[in-house]
Order: sequence, then structure tokens, then C-alpha cells
Amino acid sequence: QKEVEQDPGPLSVPEGAIVSLNCTYSNSAFQYFMWYRQYSRKGPELLMYTYSSGNKEDGRFTAQVDKSSKYISLFIRDSQPSDSATYLCAMRRTGGFKTIFGAGTRLFVKA
Amino acid sequence: DGGITQSPKYLFRKEGQNVTLSCEQNLNHDAMYWYRQDPGQGLRLIYYSQIVNDFQKGDIAEGYSVSREKKESFPLTVTSAQKNPTAFYLCASSQGVANEKLFFGSGTQLSVL
Repeated sequence: QKEVEQDPGPLSVPEGAIVSLNCTYSNSAFQYFMWYRQYSRKGPELLMYTYSSGNKEDGRFTAQVDKSSKYISLFIRDSQPSDSATYLCAMRRTGGFKTIFGAGTRLFVKA
Repeated sequence: DGGITQSPKYLFRKEGQNVTLSCEQNLNHDAMYWYRQDPGQGLRLIYYSQIVNDFQKGDIAEGYSVSREKKESFPLTVTSAQKNPTAFYLCASSQGVANEKLFFGSGTQLSVL
């Protein structure tokens, strides 16, 4: 079983839709949770960062962490064609040096 | 602009050949990393370096080698011992190895001729 599971998609939505992206994990020691956005043939860029449980909002993006269920989510409101990319969840334990990545979910937002 | 520069963007390797991927950063970060990305898989750690002249193996180091002679530079050599080298290679850096926020370069696509 992988430490981090992420549905690869692809996920196709119309412009303006609310998008929900999710990851599950097995290691209860993970405390840092990240979402990276990767455009085709580019390097990932850090989109959202959360420590421990709770929600974090930044513009149209909201990250949620539910440690009791070992489940994290990224919501994108009013999705735009420019949001079309692969979204990678990532996590790390406190004091750890290694970041564990999900496989990434490909998102297409149709105009 | 501060960032990470990877070169070349595309690289082709012949059978039995060693090839070197370049990674340079001007973020003044101490830690640097090499990841391999294959379709449908998450990023897998090849090597990482906490400081100059020090580096550690990651999960898939076999067939790869690195050096860290300067803070700004962390080149990766894909040796002939790596039998399945076709992948997208990403270099990253962070302020320290304990810092969870990674900054990535634009990647190098390596293919076998």
C-alpha cells in the first residue's frame, strides 16, 4: 500500500465549477500537508501549505486536512481554464527530511 | 529573479552512455534535491544534499550519482547502470532539509535513443 493515494483522474469540469481534489494517507505522523500545481512539462509550484489539521483559504483555493480520517482536500472555486494542470498532494512528518508525493490528479477546465 | 535553473530541457542518451543534468539555484538555499517523475507516479527522491560536500541517497539512487561542490550547484549524472532512465527529472531546493517548502526547477526530459 502506498503511503499517499491520489486519484490520477483525469477530471474534466466546465468553467466556473467548484473542483474537489483529494488524497488519503496512511502515516499518522504526517503533520505538514502541501498542494503543488504542475503545468505540463514544468516543475511543480507550491500552491497551499497547511500544518496539522484545519482549513486554509487563499483566494479561490481552500485546503482542508482531516487527520482523524487521514484525508486531505483542495477546493477550487470558480474554476478557470488556466487552472488546468496536474495537482500533486504532498506531506511530511515533523522533523522528517523527506516529502512524500501523491501521483497527481490531472484537471481540465473547459471554457 | 531568484530561482532554480535546470538544463538542458531535453536530453537523449545512447546505450552505455553517462549523461549529466545541470541544476543551479540562486535562492541561497542550503538543501537541494533530485526527483524522478514517471507518468502516473508521484515524485520519487533520488538524492538530496543538506550542505556543500555532503549528500545522501534517496529511495531510488541506484544508477545515479551526484556532487555538491558549490552551494548553488547540484548536478545529477545518470550512469549506464541505470537501465530505465527515461523520465522527467526535477531539481528542487529548500532553505534547509527540515524545511518542507520545496522550490522546483522546470525539469529535464531524458529519453533513450
